[in-house]
Amino acid sequence: KAGVTQTPRYLIKTRGQQVTLSCSPISGHRSVSWYQQTPGQGLQFLFEYFSETQRNKGNFPGRFSGRQFSNSRSEMNVSTLELGDSALYLCASSETSGGNTGELFFGEGSRLTVL
Amino acid sequence: GENVEQHPSTLSVQEGDSAVIKCTYSDSASNYFPWYKQELGKRPQLIIDIRSNVGEKKDQRIAVTLNKTAKHFSLHITETQPEDSAVYFCAANTGRRALTFGSGTRLQVQP
Repeated sequence: KAGVTQTPRYLIKTRGQQVTLSCSPISGHRSVSWYQQTPGQGLQFLFEYFSETQRNKGNFPGRFSGRQFSNSRSEMNVSTLELGDSALYLCASSETSGGNTGELFFGEGSRLTVL
Repeated sequence: GENVEQHPSTLSVQEGDSAVIKCTYSDSASNYFPWYKQELGKRPQLIIDIRSNVGEKKDQRIAVTLNKTAKHFSLHITETQPEDSAVYFCAANTGRRALTFGSGTRLQVQP
């Protein structure tokens, strides 16, 4: 099976712009979670989608949003970008929701730099 | 919500020595505790996990112990090798929320 695919891998934006990141999960996985990774902060949970429904949401401002399509592919959007949004955004897929019954399979991430 | 604290943030050991990474969690309802390894420039990958009905689990040179009373769990790596050098993340979950990760431990194994 193909692994989790994230696009784009790298992108540079300026403050105030918006960005959309895409994630294609492993075939058959219906859960997609998004995490923000910054040095020293570990993996901060953004949100999780399962069968097109948002199941869980982390403590991020409303500028961060996401959605999931019927084929389980997911997108996340960040509007009005701030310098502090510079990070590696990781997507992870799993067979079930909640991440408690098995492995999360991560993509290689989208590295966002905000200037 | 769940809060997971991980220590130390960095750990340097000599090849062949043991390494121990400790995590504490806040939600007594948490029942699943995985560990992920992230090599430099790569994606995090699951290396071992433990559920609350088990006190210890081993997989070759890696073991995880869980103390539910004290709400802490630890990763033990024996006979460390240079390829063990990576960032290790612990995590906890009740099953109703998303996985909550610790802040990570950068392990460096000196040859």
